[in-house]
Amino acid sequence: EVVLTQSPATLSLSPGERATLSCRASQSVYNYLAWYQQKPGQAPRLLIYDVSERATGIPARFGGSGSGTDFTLTISSLQPEDFAVYYCHQRSRWPLTFGGGTKVEIK
Amino acid sequence: QVQLVESGGGVVQPGGSLRFSCAASGFTFSNFGMHWVRQAPGKGLEWVAFLRNDGTSDYYADSVKGRFTISRDISKNTLYLQMDSLTVEDTAVYYCAKDGPNYGPGPYYFDYWGQGVLVTVSS
Repeated sequence: EVVLTQSPATLSLSPGERATLSCRASQSVYNYLAWYQQKPGQAPRLLIYDVSERATGIPARFGGSGSGTDFTLTISSLQPEDFAVYYCHQRSRWPLTFGGGTKVEIK
Repeated sequence: QVQLVESGGGVVQPGGSLRFSCAASGFTFSNFGMHWVRQAPGKGLEWVAFLRNDGTSDYYADSVKGRFTISRDISKNTLYLQMDSLTVEDTAVYYCAKDGPNYGPGPYYFDYWGQGVLVTVSS
């Protein structure tokens, strides 16, 4: 199975700062990678798919990059509503897998 | 707009069974694959099962293979998850999720999610 390793586990930042989240795959997932945001008590929400495509209604401050095994989610300027847990996910091979998550918390 | 509403969660004893459903609306149900994804308390996300848009193929995580069955009723726009031989490790919030945003057999990603239903396996 493809193991997705996210780092850091926790990111402490202030509103307005830039957030950079990493997701590394144990083997190439090509460009079949997505990012989700989850707030406490809520279902996850699709942010980015196919590495860099923003899902419907997602603000431009969210951006994705990478290829093969190394991927990055960037939030250019953190807004108060962006403090949450972020998961990466791959669909290149069965079983579909998620990373362990990165919590972005207010510093 | 797309809506996914799960129902049927609850408490069940180890070794027991449970079936819950996900009512879909706001899109052509028969055109898209559907998933179940779960999240144990305080833990991360785990994909559980996928049913292709044409209903001919299903896929499962190794942890549930042979015990869980995903199915659908097109006439009711409803997705189901039948869970048998439950263990305490199956305790989680279960989400149904629509496959997308691409159109086709999938799997793609999880572009819409239900609110989740809690299943607690405990004696």
